[in-house]
Amino acid sequence: GAVVSQHPSWVICKSGTSVKIECRSLDFQATTMFWYRQFPKQSLMLMATSNEGSKATYEQGVEKDKFLINHASLTLSTLTVTSAHPEDSSFYICSARKGGLAKQFFGPGTRLTVL
Amino acid sequence: DQQVKQNSPSLSVQEGRISILNCDYTNSMFDYFLWYKKYPAEGPTFLISISSIKDKNEDGRFTVFLNKSAKHLSLHIVPSQPGDSAVYFCAAAQGGSEKLVFGKGTKLTVNP
Repeated sequence: GAVVSQHPSWVICKSGTSVKIECRSLDFQATTMFWYRQFPKQSLMLMATSNEGSKATYEQGVEKDKFLINHASLTLSTLTVTSAHPEDSSFYICSARKGGLAKQFFGPGTRLTVL
Repeated sequence: DQQVKQNSPSLSVQEGRISILNCDYTNSMFDYFLWYKKYPAEGPTFLISISSIKDKNEDGRFTVFLNKSAKHLSLHIVPSQPGDSAVYFCAAAQGGSEKLVFGKGTKLTVNP
C-alpha cells in the first residue's frame, strides 16, 4: 500500500495567526512530497515540491515566505501558512511519490478557514 | 495556459451503463497519464494510468484509452455504479519531471 495522512483535517484560525499542516507517508519513504491547493470547483494547483533534506521548489506566484515548507524526514513534510488571511482559506492537499514512479499518492486534505 | 483540459464539468449516467470521461492535452511532451477519483473533502485516489507507449490499459471496470495523435485520452467505466459518483481528474506528466499537471475535473453522477 501507499498511505498518506494529513493533520489536521480541518482548522479554523484568526487572521494573522500561523497554521502548520503535517503530511506523513505512513508505509513508505517519500523523498519527494508535493503541496497542492484547491479552490471550489477548480483543479488542484501545485504550490510547491518538497524534497527531503533540501529547500522546497515553489511554483510561480506562490510566496515562499508565506507558505513555509519543511521536509525534515523521509516520511514527514510540513506546510506552515504564516500570518494567514481570509484569502488563504482553501483546501490544502499533500501528496507523496513512491520510489521512481510518477504516480502520486494523496493525503485526505486539510480544510483551512481563516476568519 | 491550460495544458490538460477536461471540457465537461459534469456527466450524468444511469447505473449499469458506460461512463466515458474525456481529457485533452496540449503538451506533446507528456508521456504518462493518470486518472484520479476524488470525493468531496477528501484527497484524490489513484485509479489507473497509462504510458505513452500504450494506447489502452484496463483494470477491472476501468479502461483508459490514449490517442497520441489527437492528444486525447478517455476513461471508460463499465458498468457504472452509484459508488462511482465523484469528481474525476485527469493528470499528465512529462518524462523526467516529478510534477503532475491536472485538469479541472469532471463530476460524474451515476443514478440508480
